[in-house]
Amino acid sequence: AQSVTQPDIHITVSEGASLELRCNYSYGATPYLFWYVQSPGQGLQLLLKYFSGDTLVQGIKGFEAEFKRSQSSFNLRKPSVHWSDAAEYFCAVGETILTGGGNKLTFGTGTQLKVEL
Amino acid sequence: ETGVTQSPTHLIKTRGQQVTLRCSSQSGHNTVSWYQQALGQGPQFIFQYYREEENGRGNFPPRFSGLQFPNYSSELNVNALELDDSALYLCASSLRAPGFETQYFGPGTRLLVL
Repeated sequence: AQSVTQPDIHITVSEGASLELRCNYSYGATPYLFWYVQSPGQGLQLLLKYFSGDTLVQGIKGFEAEFKRSQSSFNLRKPSVHWSDAAEYFCAVGETILTGGGNKLTFGTGTQLKVEL
Repeated sequence: ETGVTQSPTHLIKTRGQQVTLRCSSQSGHNTVSWYQQALGQGPQFIFQYYREEENGRGNFPPRFSGLQFPNYSSELNVNALELDDSALYLCASSLRAPGFETQYFGPGTRLLVL
């Protein structure tokens, strides 16, 4: 079974500082990888996704992520954090449902980002 | 383009009761997945519906059941509620396609079981 590890439960950065959130996955083949963001009391918003091709993926709100197969990682980065980026961030890996042909997501436990002004 | 909507936003039930949660998929999508997010955890896959049939299930007991309607909207039903069922229930819609289909999430229904 696939699994996702987000080693950092909480991260605090100053506004304007750079950000890197770590994500490691366990999967035998080339994975489908996602980053979602969840603001308090809200659902999940898709930031970016990696399916194949260029290993550096650009997303919304100035975020990017880099797929590194050798390290089984898909870390999320942002050059300059804004106070509005404070939220919980989830990394997920997708896999095909064998019985029906659809797809499901396996999520990490999330990283809570706090931004200091 | 209409996004994924869920109702109700909040719900309080007592142990042993039954609950129905509703989801309207994003315009153009034909597949609905349900996830349970316990406090402090990442979402966990419950099941998926495509063409009005269950398409796959995670590690959840049969008292979790669902439906999908011809307009692709969906319901999640939970019978014999337990305290551990307290969670945020997220619905995601997608368009079935070759490869991996991107799932778009609704705002969720927060269920509290007392």
